[in-house]
Amino acid sequence: DTGVSQNPRHKITKRGQNVTFRCDPISEHNRLYWYRQTLGQGPEFLTYFQNEAQLEKSRLLSDRFSAERPKGSFSTLEIQRTEQGDSAMYLCASSFPGPVTSFYEQYFGPGTRLTVT
Amino acid sequence: SQQGEEDPQALSIQEGENATMNCSYKTSINNLQWYRQNSGRGLVHLILIRSNEREKHSGRLRVTLDTSKKSSSLLITASRAADTASYFCATSRGNTGNQFYFGTGTSLTVIP
Repeated sequence: DTGVSQNPRHKITKRGQNVTFRCDPISEHNRLYWYRQTLGQGPEFLTYFQNEAQLEKSRLLSDRFSAERPKGSFSTLEIQRTEQGDSAMYLCASSFPGPVTSFYEQYFGPGTRLTVT
Repeated sequence: SQQGEEDPQALSIQEGENATMNCSYKTSINNLQWYRQNSGRGLVHLILIRSNEREKHSGRLRVTLDTSKKSSSLLITASRAADTASYFCATSRGNTGNQFYFGTGTSLTVIP
């Protein structure tokens, strides 16, 4: 297993276009997280999946953002009608299976860098 | 939306010296984790400390947690040039405890 993978690694799009990113977690990791990181800042939590269920979602997450994990394996993050402020690194992480209230380290992917022109 | 705040924002030391970074947070937590991020790369988990623990060690790393002061510290002993990176603390919140909030990070430079 080579870790968490994300595709594409870079995406340049024009304002107003829709974009979709994919995350493949480490196999058998049932927890999956999406974050956004801008230059000089720490990652900002977007959403969390336990298997296919989206259990946590940031209140700051615009309605233009949607995430899915249909079979409890890979996940997609879609941004509709992109804005220049969406330019950032989008990070995915996964962690070990366990009870909902247990806590384990997260393994991060390399990220997808989005540039909105 | 950032929960944690690291201090200092930047730290520069000579190889072999110890580096101490601090993290303060605002609300009660389930656990606190420290991560490292090398320039242009993903984050790597360093250590997790639960809210009922006060100190934890892992190799050259020592983490303390003071829930009464809502603060944590990360000590890296005998630093190496390869320790040059940004260090972030992350606290967990939310209904499931799986909303993780990262601080703004401490940028550590270890000079060979």
